Amino acid sequence: AQSVTQLGSHVSVSEGALVLLRCNYSSSVPPYLFWYVQYPNQGLQLLLKYTSAATLVKGINGFEAEFKKSETSFHLTKPSAHMSDAAEYFCAVSLRNQGGKLIFGQGTELSVKP
Amino acid sequence: DSGVTQTPKHLITATGQRVTLRCSPRSGDLSVYWYQQSLDQGLQFLIQYYNGEERAKGNILERFSAQQFPDLHSELNLSSLELGDSALYFCASSVGGTIHNEQFFGPGTRLTVL
Repeated sequence: AQSVTQLGSHVSVSEGALVLLRCNYSSSVPPYLFWYVQYPNQGLQLLLKYTSAATLVKGINGFEAEFKKSETSFHLTKPSAHMSDAAEYFCAVSLRNQGGKLIFGQGTELSVKP
Repeated sequence: DSGVTQTPKHLITATGQRVTLRCSPRSGDLSVYWYQQSLDQGLQFLIQYYNGEERAKGNILERFSAQQFPDLHSELNLSSLELGDSALYFCASSVGGTIHNEQFFGPGTRLTVL
C-alpha cells in the first residue's frame, strides 16, 4: 500500500530564506505526487503535481519540487520565503487504478519570521 | 474561492446523533470526493463518487454513508456520532474521476460532537 511521510510537523524560516519541506513516499508502482497548501480556515489548494513527465515540477507562488525515484522523495522548495507563505503544506500520493483517491502525509506547518 | 460549496460551515451536535453534510461541486465537475481532517488521523480520504456512482472507497466507517444525486451534489451522512468523529470534513470535486484531474477543495464543514 502506498503511504506518504512528511519529515517535520513544523518548520520555521526567516523571510527571504530558503524553504525546504520534505516528503518521502512509499509505492509499489509509479505514483502521481502532489503538494497542497492550506491557509487558515480554508480548503486545500494545489501547488504542483508530478505525473511522470519532467522530474522537476514548477508550481504556483514560486514553489517547485523534484521527484527523485532513487530516494523516493518529492521535496518542496522555494528560494525565498514570504510572510504570505505561512500555512500548512501537505504532500499526497495517488495511483492510477484507484480513481482519484489522494493519500496525504501528516502535513508540515510553515512559519515565516520577519 | 474554489467554486465548491459546503454547508453548513459549522455543526455542533451530541453523541449518538445523526448529521448530514452537503457539498455542491464546481459547475461541470462530475466527481466528488470526501475527506476527513482530524488531529488524530490527519487528512484521510473517505469516499469518491463519479456521476452518481461510487468510484473509490477509503477508510470510511460503517456508520458513515454518502451519495451523489442526479444534480451532482453530494451528501455525507454520519450516524451514531462519537466524540472521535469531531473533525473538519472536506469535499472536493473534479471534472473527471481519475488522478489526471485536479481536485478543487471546498472550505470544509467543522463538526463538533459533544
